[in-house]
Amino acid sequence: QKEVEQNSGPLSVPEGAIASLNCTYSDRVSQSFFWYRQYSGKSPELIMSIYSNGDKEDGRFTAQLNKASQYVSLLIRDSQPSDSATYLCAVNRPGGSYIPTFGRGTSLIVHP
Amino acid sequence: DVKVTQSSRYLVKRTGEKVFLECVQDMDHENMFWYRQDPGLGLRLIYFSYDVKMKEKGDIPEGYSVSREKKERFSLILESASTNQTSMYLCASSERGNEQFFGPGTRLTVL
Repeated sequence: QKEVEQNSGPLSVPEGAIASLNCTYSDRVSQSFFWYRQYSGKSPELIMSIYSNGDKEDGRFTAQLNKASQYVSLLIRDSQPSDSATYLCAVNRPGGSYIPTFGRGTSLIVHP
Repeated sequence: DVKVTQSSRYLVKRTGEKVFLECVQDMDHENMFWYRQDPGLGLRLIYFSYDVKMKEKGDIPEGYSVSREKKERFSLILESASTNQTSMYLCASSERGNEQFFGPGTRLTVL
């Protein structure tokens, strides 16, 4: 069973701080990695995708991928209360169908 | 913008009823997915389809079936609804290997 693991949290950070969300995965051949944000009562929406080792930055968000250690992380700089949500890590396997495996999500709370 | 729509936001059905949940996407995506999401259990894949009339079971297909007669439309069918199928149902679509786009979800309650 291929797994994607996340700490369920909640992770609580003060406004303006850096929030660090982590995800580990078990399938070494995974090639595509995604972070989704899900507000309470809403559906997930994509924040970042990353495909190669290293960092990828988009505004206040940075995704970091380390395939050797099989982890992917999401950093949120200058955290805002509006960032309070559940963050889902998803990992695709290569193959004909590209089925993603989702982690159970980390709840982030940014308090003023 | 990619748009994925689902036929209902809220649905209340009785035990034993046949339930149809419909999903439509407007971006010509090949892949479509049905998930259910329950507190503490995360997103669980029910079925997915990678082409018209093609379907594969996900992690929890029991009690469900699907239909994909047109590329843009993917239906989830509960043949005989049971109370343990009360959940949030999410449809998603994607191009191969790329990110998924989710519909708004259908909260189904089976009484």
